[in-house]
Amino acid sequence: IQLTQSPSFLSASVGDKVTITCRASQGIRNYLAWYQQKPGKAPKLLIYGASTLQSGVPSRYSGSGSGTEFILTINTLQPEDFTTYYCQQFDSYPLTFGGGTKVEIK
Amino acid sequence: QLVESGGGLVQPGGSLRLTCAVSGFKVRNNYMNWVRQAPGKGLEWVSVIYSDGRTEYLDSVKGRFTISRDTVKNTFYLQMNSLRPEDTAVYFCASWVVADDAFDIWGQGTLVTVSS
Repeated sequence: IQLTQSPSFLSASVGDKVTITCRASQGIRNYLAWYQQKPGKAPKLLIYGASTLQSGVPSRYSGSGSGTEFILTINTLQPEDFTTYYCQQFDSYPLTFGGGTKVEIK
Repeated sequence: QLVESGGGLVQPGGSLRLTCAVSGFKVRNNYMNWVRQAPGKGLEWVSVIYSDGRTEYLDSVKGRFTISRDTVKNTFYLQMNSLRPEDTAVYFCASWVVADDAFDIWGQGTLVTVSS
């Protein structure tokens, strides 16, 4: 299953609301997770089950979608949010990740 | 907590064994994974070992890589043989929360470089 993230790059300002889309090449129900990765660090789980916020993750993050289209929304961007985000599907093997979306400061 | 070790520089065709030491939970009760990231690229899942010992692999590593575990040492491994330059990456170990379908705990990563 191929996951296509869009956009690949996104320029935004502190305080903006941004959305990242992840499209699956076939239906994956709600078996989708979102991760944040900072340079030189391991990914950090943000959202699982397409829309459930991982414990400890700020409420400005939210996820939605089912089937083939999923959205990660970040409300009120903070300085620490400018980094790269990945989606991952758990519907079938091989488990796959999207290509990533880098959120940059405008 | 997950702590990887064993990365390094190896020639094409060579072998390397990565280790992921686990603390705070039991490897035998969880699905344990390896994920890699080539320099400047995205994430790529490599392999999983289930709680019952069954395994799955990415097609491009089948027959070359073997995932295993030692429940006494609470550690799991990735034996990598016949290494290719395209296997060059940071390798992360990660724990799969089965009930939630997500990788909730990750190691810091270990760099494997395949080059002559």
